[in-house]
Amino acid sequence: GENVEQHPSTLSVQEGDSAVIKCTYSDSASNYFPWYKQELGKGPQLIIDIRSNVGEKKDQRIAVTLNKTAKHFSLHITETQPEDSAVYFCAARGGGTASKLTFGTGTRLQVTL
Amino acid sequence: GAVVSQHPSRVICKSGTSVKIECRSLDFQATTMFWYRQFPKQSLMLMATSNEGSKATYEQGVEKDKFLINHASLTLSTLTVTSAHPEDSSFYICSAGNDRGYGYTFGSGTRLTVV
Repeated sequence: GENVEQHPSTLSVQEGDSAVIKCTYSDSASNYFPWYKQELGKGPQLIIDIRSNVGEKKDQRIAVTLNKTAKHFSLHITETQPEDSAVYFCAARGGGTASKLTFGTGTRLQVTL
Repeated sequence: GAVVSQHPSRVICKSGTSVKIECRSLDFQATTMFWYRQFPKQSLMLMATSNEGSKATYEQGVEKDKFLINHASLTLSTLTVTSAHPEDSSFYICSAGNDRGYGYTFGSGTRLTVV
């Protein structure tokens, strides 16, 4: 089955700096890669996603890049703000008939003033 | 956008009792529902997948007789934790796969505490 690795597990940046979180996946047939933000005691919220036929996608301060050859994808947050502090999860949707998402282990992002 | 309403948000129950968690898709048809369990500071672990009108498919190691899943309609799925024990205390989250393609919408989660 699919295996998703995520790094780093914790990340501390100063307000205004950029943050980058990286994930790798194992199933070359995976075709959908969402990123979720989870605040304490809440369910994950989709912040951006990318499909396998696209190399990059941007939404204001958030961008995701996908390298299918290397089987890795990254989340980029620019001009970080304190409200960006949360746990971020990457995920991959496997190929074939399976429709389930496999999640990375999460990155706790702390944006300091 | 797509919204999944999950209730209750918090529940405390006595050991040996059963607890039901509901997830409703409010503005779309949830053809597939996923149920996750999340321990503190850990990732989401898929427990089971259910399609409307069909029996749920459980992940390896998840007891199907303990975690009963019902997905009788395209807008409602329930997870019942039967004969709950303290080790079942966790954060349970549902996610609906909608009929529009790749998207997955998560509920707000249920914090279950078994005492």
